[in-house]
Amino acid sequence: TQLLEQSPQFLSIQEGENLTVYCNSSSVFSSLQWYRQEPGEGPVLLVTVVTGGEVKKLKRLTFQFGDARKDSSLHITAAQPGDTGLYLCAGAQAAGNKLTFGGGTRVLVKP
Amino acid sequence: DAGVIQSPRHEVTEMGQEVTLRCKPISGHNSLFWYRQTMMRGLELLIYFNNNVPIDDSGMPEDRFSAKMPNASFSTLKIQPSEPRDSAVYFCASSQVRSFTYEQYFGPGTRLTVT
Repeated sequence: TQLLEQSPQFLSIQEGENLTVYCNSSSVFSSLQWYRQEPGEGPVLLVTVVTGGEVKKLKRLTFQFGDARKDSSLHITAAQPGDTGLYLCAGAQAAGNKLTFGGGTRVLVKP
Repeated sequence: DAGVIQSPRHEVTEMGQEVTLRCKPISGHNSLFWYRQTMMRGLELLIYFNNNVPIDDSGMPEDRFSAKMPNASFSTLKIQPSEPRDSAVYFCASSQVRSFTYEQYFGPGTRLTVT
């Protein structure tokens, strides 16, 4: 079983601060996705990264896929209370369409 | 365009009772996934279907759990008999097999409480 480990598990910051969430594995993934889940709802896809070394930006969110396609990071600049939620990374293997999910990072942005 | 639809949103039942959760995937999607989420274990894949055929049910905890997908627009997850440890939020997700990036789209979930 391939595992994705996320760190930290919990992050509490003040509005305006920056934060970074990490997603690491010993296995190679063909693509990696980041989801955000708010209380009482299902995870919502934020981004998919495919190429090793790829960097994608979504407003204040920056996603990076490691060169070896084993790890990824999510950086939020000037966090806002609306960024509060559970952030999940998920990796896809080359064969099959099953995703392996990380344990999640719970982010709380205080006003 | 409607997303993944799940029903019911909340279910409270007594131990020993049968529970049936329902899911309607996004139209045109040909893969369907059932997940269970708890604080302790996070998001766990129970079973998934491609083109209505079960592909991997290794995550189904035991014989009390069963899932069916009679057609491309409907799936059920049944627990019988239910036990308190089955209490969790159950999510259904769908995707397109031919999308090599395998993005999944989740429903709002069913919160199950077994007393």
